[in-house]
Amino acid sequence: SQTIHQWPATLVQPVGSPLSLECTVEGTSNPNLYWYRQAAGRGLQLLFYSVGIGQISSEVPQNLSASRPQDRQFILSSKKLLLSDSGFYLCAWSTSGDRPYYEQYFGPGTRLTVT
Amino acid sequence: DQQVKQNSPSLSVQEGRISILNCDYTNSMFDYFLWYKKYPAEGPTFLISISSIKDKNEDGRFTVFLNKSAKHLSLHIVPSQPGDSAVYFCAASVGGNQFYFGTGTSLTVIP
Repeated sequence: SQTIHQWPATLVQPVGSPLSLECTVEGTSNPNLYWYRQAAGRGLQLLFYSVGIGQISSEVPQNLSASRPQDRQFILSSKKLLLSDSGFYLCAWSTSGDRPYYEQYFGPGTRLTVT
Repeated sequence: DQQVKQNSPSLSVQEGRISILNCDYTNSMFDYFLWYKKYPAEGPTFLISISSIKDKNEDGRFTVFLNKSAKHLSLHIVPSQPGDSAVYFCAASVGGNQFYFGTGTSLTVIP
């Protein structure tokens, strides 16, 4: 069965510090991978998605970046955190293939507080 | 700009009664819709989906209705159970890859 891991579960970082959140998926090959953020009182905002190694699409301009160094690894980074980067970050995966659409399966999330 | 809206941030329902969660969207090109359920400090879990070629999809106690002309979908839970208490997100997509999520509705089922 497929499993998605995210770490850390919680993180408190000062403004201006770097960020690295990691997400890995087990039990599937060539998944589509996604990073979402849920800010307080808001829905899930798609930040990045990837359909393959090294292929990253950005949905929202910001000071965050994403990388996919391996097929089942997705990393969210920032060089300098802002207060507005606080939120709940979720990684998700979906199967890629010929069906019209695929459900996305989410990891447990990372609660980031920027102080 | 929020393309998918859930205008009710919260809903309380008695156990055994029907819960109706609503979702409106603005993009008429959306053709796939999903509902997710989320408990605190966890990632959302997939509940049920519907494509634009249908107007209804059922899975056990959960039914999703789609009204394309009104750009509206709803999730019905019958009968509601205390374990259904969670935040429910609707999501919509053009072509099935990038989904746009609503802000969520927090459902409380009162025993």
